[in-house]
Order: sequence, then C-alpha cells, then structure tokens
Amino acid sequence: QTVVTQEPSLTVSPGGTVTLTCASSTGAVTSGYYPNWFQQRPGQAPRALIYGRSIKHSWTPARFSGSLLGGKAALTLSGVQPEDEADYYCLLYYGGAWVFGGGTKLTVL
Amino acid sequence: EVQLVQSGAEVKKPGESLRISCKGSGYIFTNYWIGWVRQMPGKGLEWMGIIYPGDSDTRYSPSFQGQVSISADKSISAAYLQWSSLKASDTAIYYCARRVGATEAVDYWGQGTLVTVSS
Repeated sequence: QTVVTQEPSLTVSPGGTVTLTCASSTGAVTSGYYPNWFQQRPGQAPRALIYGRSIKHSWTPARFSGSLLGGKAALTLSGVQPEDEADYYCLLYYGGAWVFGGGTKLTVL
Repeated sequence: EVQLVQSGAEVKKPGESLRISCKGSGYIFTNYWIGWVRQMPGKGLEWMGIIYPGDSDTRYSPSFQGQVSISADKSISAAYLQWSSLKASDTAIYYCARRVGATEAVDYWGQGTLVTVSS
C-alpha cells in the first residue's frame, strides 16, 4: 500500500513564507508523479492550485508555487495572506493509480 | 464555464443501495476523465476511482475495488458512484473531479454530496 506523507500541521505569520512537502513511500518524487496540490477551506470543496509539479491553474494566486525539493514535491506560499489558512493536499500519480497525501493544516497566526 | 454539479445530500439506512451523480457542463464531457473522492467526517481526501466517459474505461483504487461501482452516461454528461449495500462507515462527503489525461491535472471539482448512513 503506497503512502503519501505530508506535514500534519504548519504555522506561518502573515506576510511570511512557508513550504509544504509531499513524500512518497516508494522513494523520491519526480516529475513523473505529476504532483497536484489542492487547497480546502472549512466547509468548502477542494480547489486546485498546482499540477504537473509546478504549473499553476489560471485562477491560482501568484504567491503559490510548486517544485521538487529533496526528493519530495513542495508547495511554497510567499507573502502568506490570512485567507490562506486552510488544509492543503497533494496528489501523486502512480501509473494508473492516484494517491492523496494526508493533508497539511496551515494556520496563519 | 466548466461546471461539475453533483446530486443532493442523501440519508440512507445500512443495507440500502444508492447512486449519486455528477453532471458536467461547459466542456466536451467525453474527452476528460471523472474521478471520485471520499472525505470522511473530519478526515482527509481519499481517491476512490476514475472513469473515462468516452469509452467507460474505469479504474479503482485498491481500497475501494468491489466496494463501489463507477459508471457514466455520456448521452447526458453524467458520471455516477453507486453502492449496492451501504454501511455506516460509508458516511462521508463524496466529490467528483475532472482529470486532464494529457497533463494529469485534476482541475475542476463538484460541490460535494453528503451521504449519511444511519439506522
């Protein structure tokens, strides 16, 4: 059973920068895992932010960026806003199967 | 405008059957995969499975194989998630989402359908 691991929780100050990561139990995450990132605010459906490791959707704010970092997929928020407080999930592709990470609860404090 | 509109909340008893729907509009429905995602109360997202409405090619996550059935009716641009015998542990919000095959992007999401199973 493949497991995708994210930090359970992170805290960042308004205006600060924070990086969330997404690791695979199968080894290093590469572009071939086509990492997707989603934001979910309380009581709302998930919203897509990033796909293909670093490509933003047309609606994704510029302060969000995706990358690969140390064998993991990463989502960096620069200039964090209060409305960025939410749960963030990564999704990895395993050649016909897809697995979500457990999610990171981001607190802006 | 791309939209995925899901059917309304359901309250069912254990052992009952259920089918929920996801209707796509604003794009060519048969050209994109539709995935289903479960979110149990207070928990994270779980990928259940996916269907390509163009030819009904369907793939299930191992955890959900045999537990649910995914289908599509391309004539009305709808995808379905079905249970033959619900359990209390099926209580969750279920989302549909569109996948772009060429890029593996999961872009648009439905609003979610709350399924409550209780005796």
